[in-house]
Amino acid sequence: DAGITQSPRYKITETGRQVTLMCHQTWSHSYMFWYRQDLGHGLRLIYYSAAADITDKGEVPDGYVVSRSKTENFPLTLESATRSQTSVYFCASSESHPGEQYFGPGTRLTVT
Amino acid sequence: GENVEQHPSTLSVQEGDSAVIKCTYSDSASNYFPWYKQELGKGPQLIIDIRSNVGEKKDQRIAVTLNKTAKHFSLHITETQPEDSAVYFCAAWNTDKLIFGTGTRLQVFP
Repeated sequence: DAGITQSPRYKITETGRQVTLMCHQTWSHSYMFWYRQDLGHGLRLIYYSAAADITDKGEVPDGYVVSRSKTENFPLTLESATRSQTSVYFCASSESHPGEQYFGPGTRLTVT
Repeated sequence: GENVEQHPSTLSVQEGDSAVIKCTYSDSASNYFPWYKQELGKGPQLIIDIRSNVGEKKDQRIAVTLNKTAKHFSLHITETQPEDSAVYFCAAWNTDKLIFGTGTRLQVFP
């Protein structure tokens, strides 16, 4: 009963590199979300997905790419990392919309 | 778009006292208001939510009130315990996404 998992939990990368954060859920929830958490900003939505092959932009999508080829996976890619993308990233899933969102443990990303 | 403001940013209370966190939202079309609790090193977890057709909802020591006219909603925790210490986030559902407040760090002292 893993629920929702994220990998890696910690990542350090250099400016300009591509990095992919993984998210996997075992509930077969239709909806999945990516948030970033920064001091003073709370949680901000980057992208979300209503089902496989359906994605949409959130509040802060610039510099990020997502895909959802399978219901259970929702990877987030930073195509060319910048220092401003240093943050804690949370993936979440929900069965209904709106409804309770179940969050993963987060990935702390540092861009040097 | 929707904007959610949350106050206070930090709150310290003695064990057994009550704690109140307040949020305001800007878009009257918002119709779902959850509260999440985040413990250190973990992801947020839903503790209570309220929809716009209800004015108050209670779950044991936790309650949420909603004033649609004033566009604000509040979280009330009674008989606080040390394990209530965490960061609390309010959120408002608008169109197709949740907009979160900036969080309140609650510290409960024994």
